[in-house]
Amino acid sequence: ILNVEQSPQSLHVQEGDSTNFTCSFPSSNFYALHWYRWETAKSPEALFVMTLNGDEKKKGRISATLNTKEGYSYLYIKGSQPEDSATYLCAIYNQGGKLIFGQGTELSVKP
Amino acid sequence: DAGVIQSPRHEVTEMGQEVTLRCKPISGHNSLFWYRQTMMRGLELLIYFNNNVPIDDSGMPEDRFSAKMPNASFSTLKIQPSEPRDSAVYFCASSFGAPYGYTFGSGTRLTVV
Repeated sequence: ILNVEQSPQSLHVQEGDSTNFTCSFPSSNFYALHWYRWETAKSPEALFVMTLNGDEKKKGRISATLNTKEGYSYLYIKGSQPEDSATYLCAIYNQGGKLIFGQGTELSVKP
Repeated sequence: DAGVIQSPRHEVTEMGQEVTLRCKPISGHNSLFWYRQTMMRGLELLIYFNNNVPIDDSGMPEDRFSAKMPNASFSTLKIQPSEPRDSAVYFCASSFGAPYGYTFGSGTRLTVV
């Protein structure tokens, strides 16, 4: 069974704070890692797909890093805004061909 | 492109009834996935198709669940007979394949009473 662990489970920050969360996964049979942003009452939206050890990707104030050897990825948000409030999902695509999701980190940004 | 289209958006049905959920993937995507979202398990993969062929249905809870993809532009997930514990949001997603992100539909919220 492929376990994708995300921490923390939830996070409350003030507008303007920078924050980060972690996704941990088994490093064996790794193929790709996805990050998704999921707003309440909407569907998950892809942020990043990362495949190579050492990968760093950035979209606006959001960035992500990947370490496939030790089995973790960090998602960073710089200068959080209320509109960043959402659940951030990490998912691992292994060589078995399935995309398995973690439970997510629920971010709440207060004005 | 209109994205992944799911119907209905909401479904309320009585226990024992047959329920059919529908999905139209993005044109050109060769992979289609059915996920179920519950409070306890988060997003769990039920089944996925590659080029209309079911590849892995090990996530399908039991024989009451079945899925088909008769062509590249349409898939169904059927529950017969439905039970209250099937109540959840069911998402369909499509993709070009492993290195690419998935595009999710808006989901079908199923309530079985």
